[in-house]
Amino acid sequence: GDSVTQMEGPVTLSEEAFLTINCTYTATGYPSLFWYVQYPGEGLQLLLKATKADDKGSNKGFEATYRKETTSFHLEKGSVQVSDSAVYFCALSEDSGNTPLVFGKGTRLSVIA
Amino acid sequence: EAGVAQSPRYKIIEKRQSVAFWCNPISGHATLYWYQQILGQGPKLLIQFQNNGVVDDSQLPKDRFSAERLKGVDSTLKIQPAKLEDSAVYLCASNPRLGYNEQFFGPGTRLTVL
Repeated sequence: GDSVTQMEGPVTLSEEAFLTINCTYTATGYPSLFWYVQYPGEGLQLLLKATKADDKGSNKGFEATYRKETTSFHLEKGSVQVSDSAVYFCALSEDSGNTPLVFGKGTRLSVIA
Repeated sequence: EAGVAQSPRYKIIEKRQSVAFWCNPISGHATLYWYQQILGQGPKLLIQFQNNGVVDDSQLPKDRFSAERLKGVDSTLKIQPAKLEDSAVYLCASNPRLGYNEQFFGPGTRLTVL
């Protein structure tokens, strides 16, 4: 079945550091790929998405590119802030959109001033 | 626009007791999902509804879990009897229709089974 593997945390960075959180997937079809973020005490929020190969999703300074050849969707940000401290989840949904999200285990990011 | 509402936010029960969670999706959203998120893991689907019909309940432990969405709006998830391993956050999500990729999540209900 479909699966998502993301780098284990926790990840601790200083403010303004560069962030990369790796995510790879296994899917039978052509999935859509997502990054969700969970801030402390809040529900999951969609951060960005990409629906086909070579698409780049971006939001709030975060970016991720759908790489079909490496089955990857790595999350990057050039300069993190303390407010970016959260748990980040990589997820996929099969192309039809009729299947639910399959999530990775999540990566906890802590940014210190 | 109001988001997905869930209640209660926290619940502590003893094993073998029963518990119920409630979810009210965003108005007009036809598809509703219940996910279970165990500490340190990503959410996993329990059940998916389209209006008041079940689309996928293959991951629902039907010997103890049940869910309904009688009028195609709000939904209830029940556990009876609870086990220690049911301790988790139960997330409800909705989206406007099948094929709509983005899901909107509620804040979750954190269940602790003692």
